[in-house]
Amino acid sequence: DAGVIQSPRHEVTEMGQEVTLRCKPISGHDYLFWYRQTMMRGLELLIYFNNNVPIDDSGMPEDRFSAKMPNASFSTLKIQPSEPRDSAVYFCASRDSDQETQYFGPGTRLLVL
Amino acid sequence: LAKTTQPISMDSYEGQEVNITCSHNNIATNDYITWYQQFPSQGPRFIIQGYKTKVTNEVASLFIPADRKSSTLSLPRVSLSDTAVYYCLVGPLGSSNTGKLIFGQGTTLQVKP
Repeated sequence: DAGVIQSPRHEVTEMGQEVTLRCKPISGHDYLFWYRQTMMRGLELLIYFNNNVPIDDSGMPEDRFSAKMPNASFSTLKIQPSEPRDSAVYFCASRDSDQETQYFGPGTRLLVL
Repeated sequence: LAKTTQPISMDSYEGQEVNITCSHNNIATNDYITWYQQFPSQGPRFIIQGYKTKVTNEVASLFIPADRKSSTLSLPRVSLSDTAVYYCLVGPLGSSNTGKLIFGQGTTLQVKP
């Protein structure tokens, strides 16, 4: 298995632009998680899905952030409009409900100018 | 979820054994202790998990005293490639597992030649 796949790996954009981050979980995993990591705040859980349904989005910072999971093999995290304080590394992770381990993707490094 | 406390950073030399202790005074009866490792520019990855006493795998050992209010991750004979951030997490598993992982600041281990 290729593991969790994220794209793009790096994104540089200007303030006010829309940003879409993509994630392909490990095949067969029914949990998908979006995290954000910064030096100041560490690794924060933004939202997670179970069987494509959002379960907990309490970590989503504000309405500018939205996440979707249209099918079991794809999820997006969208920021619109983006702001400089959104600059961070965004990780996607997936898990099988029969196991406890989360598998993380390589992350998307976002820089908003 | 039980809060955890770890040292912010540790230094070691190649070939030494490293022990990282995590405090979790409010651990619940159904909570397990899990450690993740994060290399620079990568997502966290699972190292080891335990409930009580001692667990050992090919990467590390985990020591948990009888009161379970702390745990110690032991890395035998570290090498430069063990330089990473190590996270201690505490939470329920199985049917009680809501899927959420709460990462603290972690311990940054620097292995020197």
